[in-house]
Amino acid sequence: GAGVSQTPSNKVTEKGKYVELRCDPISGHTALYWYRQSLGQGPEFLIYFQGTGAADDSGLPNDRFFAVRPEGSVSTLKIQRTERGDSAVYLCASSLGHGNTIYFGEGSWLTVV
Amino acid sequence: ELKVEQNPLFLSMQEGKNYTIYCNYSTTSDRLYWYRQDPGKSLESLFVLLSNGAVKQEGRLMASLDTKARLSTLHITAAVHDLSATYFCAGPTYGGATNKLIFGTGTLLAVQP
Repeated sequence: GAGVSQTPSNKVTEKGKYVELRCDPISGHTALYWYRQSLGQGPEFLIYFQGTGAADDSGLPNDRFFAVRPEGSVSTLKIQRTERGDSAVYLCASSLGHGNTIYFGEGSWLTVV
Repeated sequence: ELKVEQNPLFLSMQEGKNYTIYCNYSTTSDRLYWYRQDPGKSLESLFVLLSNGAVKQEGRLMASLDTKARLSTLHITAAVHDLSATYFCAGPTYGGATNKLIFGTGTLLAVQP
């Protein structure tokens, strides 16, 4: 596609529910990133994929968060037992690799009530 | 791990004036990224600075990188209202397989007519 595509753009869920956020990177980009941005803050790194494998998941806050990229393209960020503190914009980004421009999607706005 | 600090955090300036946003980072890095974010929108890539002494210009914005001083600057020339946005700098953290960006807290720029 022309850019990084994320769905849903907005999600309101109840505390304790399970949520999946999807990211479709720019075609041909092998590197894929998930970030989280809270109001008034800079984006915070969650996880980085190179191909199908998670090369660095050190930013995932706890074991309720998990992400997959089974075929090296689309990625899904999964959040179990959501908490109100998980409310944020979840940004996906992709790039051709090391040293290249990293392009961000429009984000998925998650609100946990 | 890399730490990135921006100043000022908020900048109100008049149209036609010049100003500079500063980005300091804590450890050696061979590149620096600048992004723009409009309210409620995702991040738009402005510049990727790949080496010491790199200077890039696009319209009224000019970015530079001094890796020895661990400093990047974003200079605004003859500001116009359309430049009002939040500007982030970000540096990469390496080590093993990781290729993640650490973002500064952002500089909110408001250009007044």
